Amino acid sequence: DTAVSQTPKYLVTQMGNDKSIKCEQNLGHDTMYWYKQDSKKFLKIMFSYNNKELIINETVPNRFSPKSPDKAHLNLHINSLELGDSAVYFCASSQRAGEIQETQYFGPGTRLLVL
Amino acid sequence: RKEVEQDPGPFNVPEGATVAFNCTYSNSASQSFFWYRQDCRKEPKLLMSVYSSGNEDGRFTAQLNRASQYISLLIRDSKLSDSATYLCVVGNGGFKTIFGAGTRLFVKA
Repeated sequence: DTAVSQTPKYLVTQMGNDKSIKCEQNLGHDTMYWYKQDSKKFLKIMFSYNNKELIINETVPNRFSPKSPDKAHLNLHINSLELGDSAVYFCASSQRAGEIQETQYFGPGTRLLVL
Repeated sequence: RKEVEQDPGPFNVPEGATVAFNCTYSNSASQSFFWYRQDCRKEPKLLMSVYSSGNEDGRFTAQLNRASQYISLLIRDSKLSDSATYLCVVGNGGFKTIFGAGTRLFVKA
């Protein structure tokens, strides 16, 4: 049983297109995250949701729009894709988050290549 | 100054060696600390949490020095399977977690 799953695993698309990445966790966690890992392997938080509410939005262009239909799902929609969006996008979840962070469980990643 | 800084390496060590990584963080109010491991083309996975008193898990020992704002990871008796990137992670409260850029370790036979 996969704890945190993402689809698709690979995404190759043209500049200017709109695409979505889906994430689901079956751990019963309250908090979910999206991270971007660029070519230099630096993992940077983009968004965090707690119980379907947006908690963190880290200076991400508004072409990126997260959506959490329920606690177990956090999807990422990207409009007007640019070359610089090429990266690996990781979804993660934790039991809860607040003043004390807890262990995060990551999905397998979505490798996005914008041509 | 980056919020979390690590030596990127790579560290190339023979099997059986002891290797240590350090990580410094800039926010003195940071509350929680972790080491994650990331294998090539895989997702990060928790290796161990780091507690104020220091903690050990088999061949791995983690230490926290709040006064100097650094965290360390010691790996004893290195195995080939320890080859990976080790990410220092700091929780700053308010749902925010900062990942270091990682230290690459290669263990050779």
